[in-house]
Amino acid sequence: DQQVKQNSPSLSVQEGRISILNCDYTNSMFDYFLWYKKYPAEGPTFLISISSIKDKNEDGRFTVFLNKSAKHLSLHIVPSQPGDSAVYFCAASYAYNNNDMRFGAGTRLTVKP
Amino acid sequence: DAGVIQSPRHEVTEMGQEVTLRCKPISGHNSLFWYRQTMMRGLELLIYFNNNVPIDDSGMPEDRFSAKMPNASFSTLKIQPSEPRDSAVYFCASSFAADTQYFGPGTRLTVL
Repeated sequence: DQQVKQNSPSLSVQEGRISILNCDYTNSMFDYFLWYKKYPAEGPTFLISISSIKDKNEDGRFTVFLNKSAKHLSLHIVPSQPGDSAVYFCAASYAYNNNDMRFGAGTRLTVKP
Repeated sequence: DAGVIQSPRHEVTEMGQEVTLRCKPISGHNSLFWYRQTMMRGLELLIYFNNNVPIDDSGMPEDRFSAKMPNASFSTLKIQPSEPRDSAVYFCASSFAADTQYFGPGTRLTVL
């Protein structure tokens, strides 16, 4: 039962352009959302997060947008760089238990020079 | 800090054998998590501990899986007996007070 879904297994973008990674969730009890980035042979590393009280959070080239009514969030990377090539995981947790985090299957982003 | 340490990094075993994966969390962190990554299901939470106590093991797939945390600096995930469908990358992560989780490099398990 996948409560967090990333329907695009892969995405290819030209360097300098915008990368948009999408994520949908089904459980309305989720209150906190995160993006993790994973390079080969390494563990996922935290990238950016957003609380349900916000609809946007920005950190440098990375911006996460949250649409609670649609149960949808997206990660925008502008401008994309070859070093951004990695697998990106969307995750969600509950307000009452941030330890119980549910991940999507991941989207492999390739940024071409 | 060395980060979360996992061993071994790779494990190849035969079906029916016992497998033990090990994790050393970041010093000072009080929560520890075990995840499994597969192509089909992505990252799945198997179990997590708070202050060395198992809190939620609902993600543990079967009785063949067990996890322990005898002290704040060590945890094991055991599979006995192992099966080919257990082949995956197993990650350990730790956090402090439900803050950001920091992941180890993972153990790639192959069961033949």
